[in-house]
Amino acid sequence: TQLLEQSPQFLSIQEGENLTVYCNSSSVFSSLQWYRQEPGEGPVLLVTVVTGGEVKKLKRLTFQFGDARKDSSLHITAAQPGDTGLYLCAGERPLQGAQKLVFGQGTRLTINP
Amino acid sequence: ETGVTQTPRHLVMGMTNKKSLKCEQHLGHNAMYWYKQSAKKPLELMFVYNFKEQTENNSVPSRFSPECPNSSHLFLHLHTLQPEDSALYLCASSQEGVPYNEQFFGPGTRLTVL
Repeated sequence: TQLLEQSPQFLSIQEGENLTVYCNSSSVFSSLQWYRQEPGEGPVLLVTVVTGGEVKKLKRLTFQFGDARKDSSLHITAAQPGDTGLYLCAGERPLQGAQKLVFGQGTRLTINP
Repeated sequence: ETGVTQTPRHLVMGMTNKKSLKCEQHLGHNAMYWYKQSAKKPLELMFVYNFKEQTENNSVPSRFSPECPNSSHLFLHLHTLQPEDSALYLCASSQEGVPYNEQFFGPGTRLTVL
C-alpha cells in the first residue's frame, strides 16, 4: 500500500501549457516537501509547506498544502522545457523522536518545445 | 552542488564481489541517510544515522552494511548482492532538531549487479 499517491505518474505536454500534479494520502503530515530530480542527479528541494491551506509560490510554480495536511498540489503555469524532470512529494512523519520522510512514487514531467 | 558528494557515480559488480559506496556531506548536518531508488518504486529509506548512531534500519537485508565513522561520512558496504539490488543509491543529509526535515541529496551511485 502506497502511503503517498502521486498523480499523474507521467505527463507530457507542450511548452506554454499549464499543469497540476497531485499528492494524496490518508495520513496527516507535519510538513510536505516537493523535490525535483533531473537525470543523473539526486532530488533537489523546491519547497516545504507546513500549515493546512498554505500556498507558496516559486516563480511559475504554485504549491498548496491541503487544509487537513493530508494532500498537496503543484501547479505550473506556462510550462518551459527547463521544468522537465521527476517531481517528488515527501511527507514528514515522526519516527522515534526524529522526523522521517515518506516519498511518493513521483511524476515524470516532460515539456516539449 | 548540494554539498553532498557520492562516489563512485557508477558501479558494476558481480554477485560475489564486495564493494563500498561512499558519501560525504559538507553542510555541517548531524543526520545522514541511505535511500534506494528503483525504476518502478518510490524512494525507499534504508538507513538513518543521527549523531553517528543508527536510528533506523528499514528491514534492509544484511548484504547491505552501513557505516558512519563521523557525522560527515557515510558508507554502504555491499556483499553478495542480487540482480534485483540494481538501483540508484542516494545519500542525503539533514539537520535534526530544527523544524522540518529538509534533506539534501547527493547525485547517487548507479549500481548494476550482474
